Amino acid sequence: DAGITQSPRYKITETGRQVTLMCHQTWSHSYMFWYRQDLGHGLRLIYYSAAADITDKGEVPDGYVVSRSKTENFPLTLESATRSQTSVYFCASSYNNEQFFGPGTRLTVL
Amino acid sequence: SQQGEEDPQALSIQEGENATMNCSYKTSINNLQWYRQNSGRGLVHLILIRSNEREKHSGRLRVTLDTSKKSSSLLITASRAADTASYFCASKDISNFGNEKLTFGTGTRLTIIP
Repeated sequence: DAGITQSPRYKITETGRQVTLMCHQTWSHSYMFWYRQDLGHGLRLIYYSAAADITDKGEVPDGYVVSRSKTENFPLTLESATRSQTSVYFCASSYNNEQFFGPGTRLTVL
Repeated sequence: SQQGEEDPQALSIQEGENATMNCSYKTSINNLQWYRQNSGRGLVHLILIRSNEREKHSGRLRVTLDTSKKSSSLLITASRAADTASYFCASKDISNFGNEKLTFGTGTRLTIIP
């Protein structure tokens, strides 16, 4: 189906482990984004990408790594997960200034 | 923080009443957008208003923009139970020309009481 998908939808991990959240879009939109959503903070931008092989930091990039080798995929890696990274993570793509969001990944770091 | 603020943080109204939410932002903008988020879901785009526009309508939605006050409001008329959701404003900084990055507000949680 066309759209933007995220996997896994739910993930529980332990402090110090590496975790990768996947994001895939079928529209070939140039821009893609990763946000985290926490109570009281709304959505905060972690990283974004203007095109394949072009990425840039957002507001809260520390502890996260991204890559974008193909237009349709934009994985987010937590290199060594911390409890403060417990959050809901949303991936989005953008076209003509409108952003399209995936369903989110709820990550719990124990 | 670069985020905008939304007011109120939470709003409960009776079905059929109108709901008004306000958003303040911090920088000069190219456009401002409103998004809805149903519980447990991703955000969905509702409406976009450009910096040279003052008011825009879409169905039961009315958005206003006051660039001199750096504020916007979203009015939902004749509310329905299905309007229960969180609503976020998102601004595109004028310095982001050619870039599609947005800055989201903290959201208003709207509850429609049947």
